[in-house]
Amino acid sequence: DAGVTQSPTHLIKTRGQHVTLRCSPISGHKSVSWYQQVLGQGPQFIFQYYEKEERGRGNFPDRFSARQFPNYSSELNVNALLLGDSALYLCASSKGQVNTDTQYFGPGTRLTVL
Amino acid sequence: QKEVEQDPGPLSVPEGAIVSLNCTYSNSAFQYFMWYRQYSRKGPELLMYTYSSGNKEDGRFTAQVDKSSKYISLFIRDSQPSDSATYLCAMRAIAGGTSYGKLTFGQGTILTVHP
Repeated sequence: DAGVTQSPTHLIKTRGQHVTLRCSPISGHKSVSWYQQVLGQGPQFIFQYYEKEERGRGNFPDRFSARQFPNYSSELNVNALLLGDSALYLCASSKGQVNTDTQYFGPGTRLTVL
Repeated sequence: QKEVEQDPGPLSVPEGAIVSLNCTYSNSAFQYFMWYRQYSRKGPELLMYTYSSGNKEDGRFTAQVDKSSKYISLFIRDSQPSDSATYLCAMRAIAGGTSYGKLTFGQGTILTVHP
């Protein structure tokens, strides 16, 4: 089975622009989470979706939004980009049904804001 | 104060050494504990997962949890150059309903094992 896939791999944007990042979970997984990892830090939770509904939101501004589609893939949108949004954006998928659920991470999308 | 503090390192050890990586946490709601390994420019890969105090062993890796002290550790025996990576501790609370809840990560420790 294919693992979690993310696109694009790399992205360069300028301040004020908008970006859309995409994630396809492992087949059979219904939950997707998004994390932001700034260089030298651990990942920070942004959103969790399960069965197309938002189940959790981290401490990020409203410029960040996400959605999950009927096929369980997901998009993360960031508006009005700031230099501080430069980071590795990670998507994690899981079955989402039990407390001992394991999250599997994709390779990430590296966003650079100039 | 951060919910999870990880000894930042970096650590540089010779091949064959025993490595100890540590995290402390302040949120007593954390019940599930994980260690992830992240190679440069890659996503984190799950190494160990535990939810009870005590030790859990998997090959050269041992995860240790002490809930009374809010302290977790990862030990790597007979370290290899291929173990060179960033190690991240992660934790989460018991989730409500069918959602599994967010992971809270430490800041990571960069480990280098030299031949």
